[in-house]
Amino acid sequence: QKEVEQDPGPLSVPEGAIVSLNCTYSNSAFQYFMWYRQYSRKGPELLMYTYSSGNKEDGRFTAQVDKSSKYISLFIRDSQPSDSATYLCAMSSGGYQKVTFGTGTKLQVIP
Amino acid sequence: GAVVSQHPSWVICKSGTSVKIECRSLDFQATTMFWYRQFPKQSLMLMATSNEGSKATYEQGVEKDKFLINHASLTLSTLTVTSAHPEDSSFYICSARPGPDNYGYTFGSGTRLTVV
Repeated sequence: QKEVEQDPGPLSVPEGAIVSLNCTYSNSAFQYFMWYRQYSRKGPELLMYTYSSGNKEDGRFTAQVDKSSKYISLFIRDSQPSDSATYLCAMSSGGYQKVTFGTGTKLQVIP
Repeated sequence: GAVVSQHPSWVICKSGTSVKIECRSLDFQATTMFWYRQFPKQSLMLMATSNEGSKATYEQGVEKDKFLINHASLTLSTLTVTSAHPEDSSFYICSARPGPDNYGYTFGSGTRLTVV
């Protein structure tokens, strides 16, 4: 079993839809949870990170962490064609420990 | 925000030659730099962790003599692919934490290496 599971998609939605992206994990030591957006042939771009359980909002993006269920989500409101990319979840136990990534979900927002 | 500058963006080299990739933290000191490799349509695979002033720690299965990592200063880490072969062709990306209280790891823009 992988430490982090993420549905690879692809996920196609119409412009303006609410997008829900999810990851599950097995390592209870993970404390920090990150979401990245990666365009083709580019490095990942940090969208947001959260510590422990709870919600965090930044513009059209909302990240949720449920440590009891080992489940994290990223919601994108009013999705735009420019949001079309691969979204990676990532986790760390803290300090300068390595970051473990999900496989990424490819999202396509159709105009 | 924190920026990691990575160069070159792409490089083509002949089989048997060496290629150096540089990552610089522009507005913060990176005591630790992570080096990843990414194959098409796959996620990032951690290759090694470099710490300023000390030897890098390599992940299992990564040849330390082939992928030489140097982290000589708090703002510069380099990855040298020695005696490159076509199977080394990949997308290489570096990453660092912007500070002790910031867990938003920042990534470089990546280097696409093609060995012919």
